[in-house]
Amino acid sequence: GESVGLHLPTLSVQEGDNSIINCAYSNSASDYFIWYKQESGKGPQFIIDIRSNMDKRQGQRVTVLLNKTVKHLSLQIAATQPGDSAVYFCAENWLGNQFYFGTGTSLTVIP
Amino acid sequence: EPEVTQTPSHQVTQMGQEVILRCVPISNHLYFYWYRQILGQKVEFLVSFYNNEISEKSEIFDDQFSVERPDGSNFTLKIRSTKLEDSAMYFCASRKEGRRTEAFFGQGTRLTVV
Repeated sequence: GESVGLHLPTLSVQEGDNSIINCAYSNSASDYFIWYKQESGKGPQFIIDIRSNMDKRQGQRVTVLLNKTVKHLSLQIAATQPGDSAVYFCAENWLGNQFYFGTGTSLTVIP
Repeated sequence: EPEVTQTPSHQVTQMGQEVILRCVPISNHLYFYWYRQILGQKVEFLVSFYNNEISEKSEIFDDQFSVERPDGSNFTLKIRSTKLEDSAMYFCASRKEGRRTEAFFGQGTRLTVV
């Protein structure tokens, strides 16, 4: 069963630096992925998505990289700002319509 | 910008009581979901709903849970007899289309069972 009080991986970066958040997804059949940002007390907020037929997708200040060989996703945030401080989840989708969320990474931006 | 709205933001209930959590998905969306997040843990899938019926559910979604779309705008999650371990944030989400499109989440309802 799941452990109580899951300890999130944490990442601390200086304001203005680039951040890289990693995610190992679970199912090799997953063909669609989303990165969500969750601020304290709020719901997950969509950041960027990528389909499995791509290995890179860029948005505004964010880039997602997909490596299907090792089932790995990363989220790169350029010029990280204090407002980027949050927990970041990757979510994968296969077969059905629901998403399965990863454990999450807590990002702290140091001003 | 359209958004998913949930009410109430916080619900406190006694163990054994029934609760109904309410959601108004984005108006032209067709797929609806409930997820929950126990404090400090990851977001877990409960149930998906499409075309007025449950399309998928997780093992968490047992006979104590039910969902309903009573009219064209609301989507509800009912827990018949709450347990202490039901205490969590409950998130509603909706999607315009099915697979491989983004899902939008509401702000959540914090359910506290005492």
